[in-house]
Amino acid sequence: SQTIHQWPATLVQPVGSPLSLECTVEGTSNPNLYWYRQAAGRGLQLLFYSIGIDQISSEVPQNLSASRPQDRQFILSSKKLLLSDSGFYLCAWSSGTGGALVDTEAFFGQGTRLTVV
Amino acid sequence: LAKTTQPISMDSYEGQEVNITCSHNNIATNDYITWYQQFPSQGPRFIIQGYKTKVTNEVASLFIPADRKSSTLSLPRVSLSDTAVYYCLVGPSMEYGNKLVFGAGTILRVKS
Repeated sequence: SQTIHQWPATLVQPVGSPLSLECTVEGTSNPNLYWYRQAAGRGLQLLFYSIGIDQISSEVPQNLSASRPQDRQFILSSKKLLLSDSGFYLCAWSSGTGGALVDTEAFFGQGTRLTVV
Repeated sequence: LAKTTQPISMDSYEGQEVNITCSHNNIATNDYITWYQQFPSQGPRFIIQGYKTKVTNEVASLFIPADRKSSTLSLPRVSLSDTAVYYCLVGPSMEYGNKLVFGAGTILRVKS
């Protein structure tokens, strides 16, 4: 069965420090991968979307970047964090080959609670 | 992507049926309607998907009128544990590049 791993679960970082959040998927190949951010009490904001290695779409201009060094690995990074980067970061995957039981189902990791101080 | 409009929040009591309606006036021919549920500090979880008419699973029912410009998620006999945010998404199959863009969602509060 497919599983998604996201770490760390919580993170407290000072302003101006770098960031690296990692997400890996097991049990599937060529997934679509997503990074979302959710501010307190708000909806999910799509940050990055990837349909394959080196195929990453940035949805919102910001000081964050994403990379996909392997088919099932998705990394969210920042060189210098801002206070406004605080939030709940979620990684998700969906079937990129139409093999899911339903056509629009995505699976989410447990999330990373990032607090920038 | 088709824009969706949902109520910001709804209140209900245990044992009641809850219906959450989503408007999507510019839905495209190849778009599906999908609902997700999110509990605090967790990622969203898929509930149900439909294209037209009615779909039912062990969790909910989804009613879609013939013009597909709206849809209604129906939760039968809710309990306190159904308190969550419910998102309506409209978009094509994942195979065709659905970016899975979430709106603000509907906060459902179930009271005893």
